[in-house]
Amino acid sequence: DAGVIQSPRHEVTEMGQEVTLRCKPISGHDYLFWYRQTMMRGLELLIYFNNNVPIDDSGMPEDRFSAKMPNASFSTLKIQPSEPRDSAVYFCASSLAQKAFFGQGTRLTVV
Amino acid sequence: AQSVTQPDIHITVSEGASLELRCNYSYGATPYLFWYVQSPGQGLQLLLKYFSGDTLVQGIKGFEAEFKRSQSSFNLRKPSVHWSDAAEYFCAVLPPGTYKYIFGTGTRLKVLA
Repeated sequence: DAGVIQSPRHEVTEMGQEVTLRCKPISGHDYLFWYRQTMMRGLELLIYFNNNVPIDDSGMPEDRFSAKMPNASFSTLKIQPSEPRDSAVYFCASSLAQKAFFGQGTRLTVV
Repeated sequence: AQSVTQPDIHITVSEGASLELRCNYSYGATPYLFWYVQSPGQGLQLLLKYFSGDTLVQGIKGFEAEFKRSQSSFNLRKPSVHWSDAAEYFCAVLPPGTYKYIFGTGTRLKVLA
């Protein structure tokens, strides 16, 4: 298996623009997570899905953030409008039987 | 409050020396416990996990960890460190009945040649 695949690996955008991050989980995994990693706050859980259904989005910082999982093989995290403080590395992870596997992350820079 | 603590932000060891990274948690019941490693620019890779049973668990890359209920600890160890082990190490817990993995703040390991 290719593992969790995220795209793009790097994204630079201007403040106010919409940003969409993409994730393909490992086939057969029933949970999908979005994390944000910054120096100041470490790894923060933003939202997670079970069988494509959002279960807990209490970590989503603001209404500017939204996430979808239209099917078992694809999820998106959207930020609209983006702000400089959204700059971070965003990780997607999928899990089966309580073992989570992470993608390589998307480094987002908002200027 | 529920938390995961990694008291050492940075650790430096010489190649070939032994290593122990500390992790403490505070939860009412024993959570599932994990150690992950993150190399620069990469995602997190699962080293090992503890769910139940034998309190000494073996992982990949020669790492092991010991769960001590009385100390609420899950320390990571390696008998002989290699230069390629330089990375950041994260302890994580999965509280019972949830799927919200909680990560510690990480320990950055530097290995001297």
